[in-house]
Amino acid sequence: EAGVAQSPRYKIIEKRQSVAFWCNPISGHATLYWYQQILGQGPKLLIQFQNNGVVDDSQLPKDRFSAERLKGVDSTLKIQPAKLEDSAVYLCASSTRDRESTDTQYFGPGTRLTVL
Amino acid sequence: DAKTTQPTSMDCAEGRAANLPCNHSTISGNEYVYWYRQIHSQGPQYIIHGLKNNETNEMASLIITEDRKSSTLILPHATLRDTAVYYCIVRVSSGYALNFGKGTSLLVTP
Repeated sequence: EAGVAQSPRYKIIEKRQSVAFWCNPISGHATLYWYQQILGQGPKLLIQFQNNGVVDDSQLPKDRFSAERLKGVDSTLKIQPAKLEDSAVYLCASSTRDRESTDTQYFGPGTRLTVL
Repeated sequence: DAKTTQPTSMDCAEGRAANLPCNHSTISGNEYVYWYRQIHSQGPQYIIHGLKNNETNEMASLIITEDRKSSTLILPHATLRDTAVYYCIVRVSSGYALNFGKGTSLLVTP
């Protein structure tokens, strides 16, 4: 079974530039998550999708971050414009279950963003 | 979700059992205990989870106290590849995001 794919693996941009990350979840996984992990901290949820609908985006800085999952499969996360404090690893995860029983989240390798 | 408390770091000799504690004294009756780990430069990896009973799988064992206020993750024979940050997370059920803390950095030494 193929894992969660993310690209690019690394990205370096200057502040105020735009950047986009792509995630392809495990086939058949309805739920997709984007997490932000700042150096030395645990991952923090940015947004959660169930199929192509948003379940939770309460911690997404909506003035600069946006995400979509148009066909309920792959997803993109965009930052526009980037700030220095956006330097982090952006992790995508997917899982099979909805809010009915226990499940396992599978994570991709992440995209490491450096904002100069 | 209930908050968890874990030691910042631990060491373990290769081949010995690694016992990683987690305190979750405010856990609710319907909250599960999950353990994930994150090896350097990789995404987090699921290890095990439980509600009330002790659990064991091919990777580890999870011991939950009777009052459910604390738990211990046991890696029975630690190897160098087990060096990672281990996260203890409690949450209501599936379909919700994981609320990661800072975890325990486990160093397995030769």
